[in-house]
Amino acid sequence: DTGVSQNPRHKITKRGQNVTFRCDPISEHNRLYWYRQTLGQGPEFLTYFQNEAQLEKSRLLSDRFSAERPKGSFSTLEIQRTEQGDSAMYLCASSPIVLQNTGELFFGEGSRLTVL
Amino acid sequence: AQKVTQAQTEISVVEKEDVTLDCVYETRDTTYYLFWYKQPPSGELVFLIRRNSFDEQNEISGRYSWNFQKSTSSFNFTITASQVVDSAVYFCALSEAIVNRDDKIIFGKGTRLHILP
Repeated sequence: DTGVSQNPRHKITKRGQNVTFRCDPISEHNRLYWYRQTLGQGPEFLTYFQNEAQLEKSRLLSDRFSAERPKGSFSTLEIQRTEQGDSAMYLCASSPIVLQNTGELFFGEGSRLTVL
Repeated sequence: AQKVTQAQTEISVVEKEDVTLDCVYETRDTTYYLFWYKQPPSGELVFLIRRNSFDEQNEISGRYSWNFQKSTSSFNFTITASQVVDSAVYFCALSEAIVNRDDKIIFGKGTRLHILP
């Protein structure tokens, strides 16, 4: 399977714990995005990388959230001191650069976080 | 700031009817990209189309067609002769291209489409 891979697919944790999600993009894609989706809403942009550089972070991304993409390959999204409001589906997507601008996003199946 | 509005939260039609999903966008830039994605019940978002702001030609792909009108900032999506398998949530999205760095993709809230047998 050469698509975008995310794990774990589902994480249940207690409030206050830290969680980390991993995303493996399609190998030749320069761009990697993290989105969050709650029930009945569209994906909300969190952050994105071009290769290893984090180019933008949404104001939604509080200081409890951190994302990395070492070596420009896989990425991790860590949430520290989780809160119940963090419960959501965390989506990763990768994209090639098309004519210096964003091509289509290829999404993974998501990592669902439930904070008890 | 960029914004995508999908005013129709939920639509139900009977199979074989045509249905149009509306999308209105706001952007400060003259160069931008518009997208439609489908999210079936399985959950994974599936790319349908990408259109740049310089290309106002409408596009048809099988039963799907897209009507891009810059004058009204709309990028509507029509499914002809709908089928039950078209039931999904459909998202319209926008990416500005001010400079290479500022081109995150922003999604609308989606339209849930029910095709009734």
